[in-house]
Amino acid sequence: AQSVTQLDSQVPVFEEAPVELRCNYSSSVSVYLFWYVQYPNQGLQLLLKYLSGSTLVKGINGFEAEFNKSQTSFHLRKPSVHISDTAEYFCAVIRRQAGTALIFGKGTTLSVSS
Amino acid sequence: GAVVSQHPSWVICKSGTSVKIECRSLDFQATTMFWYRQFPKQSLMLMATSNEGSKATYEQGVEKDKFLINHASLTLSTLTVTSAHPEDSSFYICSARGIQETQYFGPGTRLLVL
Repeated sequence: AQSVTQLDSQVPVFEEAPVELRCNYSSSVSVYLFWYVQYPNQGLQLLLKYLSGSTLVKGINGFEAEFNKSQTSFHLRKPSVHISDTAEYFCAVIRRQAGTALIFGKGTTLSVSS
Repeated sequence: GAVVSQHPSWVICKSGTSVKIECRSLDFQATTMFWYRQFPKQSLMLMATSNEGSKATYEQGVEKDKFLINHASLTLSTLTVTSAHPEDSSFYICSARGIQETQYFGPGTRLLVL
């Protein structure tokens, strides 16, 4: 079975500071990895995904993530955050097999203040 | 591309009534859709997997007679909460699976049962 651990439940940062949201996963089979963002009272928006190829994945809103197979990690980074980045961020994994469901981490609340 | 809509976005109903929530993939066909429930400050909980033309697969602990799912076409899945009670009040989110196992989420439906 797969599982996802988001190591920080809350990450407070100041505007224009860099941020890293950590995500580790466990799986005995190959997986795809995703990061989603959720703004208050909204659904989830796909930030980026790792399917194969380059381990550094760039997404929307200036975010990027690096897949590290040896450490089973998929940390999300942004070099300079904005107030508007304040939201809930979810890391998710899915088996490379049609029909299976996403497994979500518990989420990380990113709070950006001025 | 890859837009998923949900209707209604908000619904308030009396205890004992039934509520239907629609999930539509607007610009792609989705043979598989998923229904999630989210409690405040928590991650998404998968309720069921909806496959076009066949019965939904429910997660353990989810009452199939309580949460009726119909996936009648490649762009529409519906969730009906039957005989709703206050404990069914929650945020319900659907997703539709696109290519390469990527799921695209709807904006969510907030249900309040009085």
